Amino acid sequence: GAVVSQHPSRVICKSGTSVKIECRSLDFQATTMFWYRQFPKQSLMLMATSNEGSKATYEQGVEKDKFLINHASLTLSTLTVTSAHPEDSSFYICSASVAGGPNTDTQYFGPGTRLTVL
Amino acid sequence: AQSVTQLDSQVPVFEEAPVELRCNYSSSVSVYLFWYVQYPNQGLQLLLKYLSGSTLVKGINGFEAEFNKSQTSFHLRKPSVHISDTAEYFCAVSDRDYKLSFGAGTTVTVRA
Repeated sequence: GAVVSQHPSRVICKSGTSVKIECRSLDFQATTMFWYRQFPKQSLMLMATSNEGSKATYEQGVEKDKFLINHASLTLSTLTVTSAHPEDSSFYICSASVAGGPNTDTQYFGPGTRLTVL
Repeated sequence: AQSVTQLDSQVPVFEEAPVELRCNYSSSVSVYLFWYVQYPNQGLQLLLKYLSGSTLVKGINGFEAEFNKSQTSFHLRKPSVHISDTAEYFCAVSDRDYKLSFGAGTTVTVRA
């Protein structure tokens, strides 16, 4: 149980284009989803927190107009990297959690999406 | 704000030997502590967590960790590792809003 998928697993795009990454909770309803970014040999950095049906909350230093997050349903959140540039190349990871219940403190992670911007 | 320091970036260990991964945190409020494992090409999986109560926490796959408030540490241990324990291990801390701050990770390589 508590499986989170991401699509695509890898994407290569040209500079200036936009890329959408999907995060789905497959067997539970996620009231909250988180988006992280991981650079090589570094830790995961939280980018934003999204709650179903409301606007995402972005961490300091994360450009909300560049990283568009939509959490339209309890099982799907999307991250769109707009006008991508080579410096946006990274590993993007989502996680999902359920409010209330015994595991409200636990985040379930997706396998990540490797974005390469040429 | 909270932060996490994992003191070892790489830990090579022989099969069936014990392993300890060190984690120290800093926070101005009460925290929740987690250890996650990331196997190659997979997402992070929760190994164990400390929320309150007993300071010795047991997790999956034979791992355990001890919360030490005075030393602000949450070290992870396993008495006997297997080849399959080769992975990246992340220590994380959150406060009551459940937003996680991760350490840089420790790569464990188990050799026969």
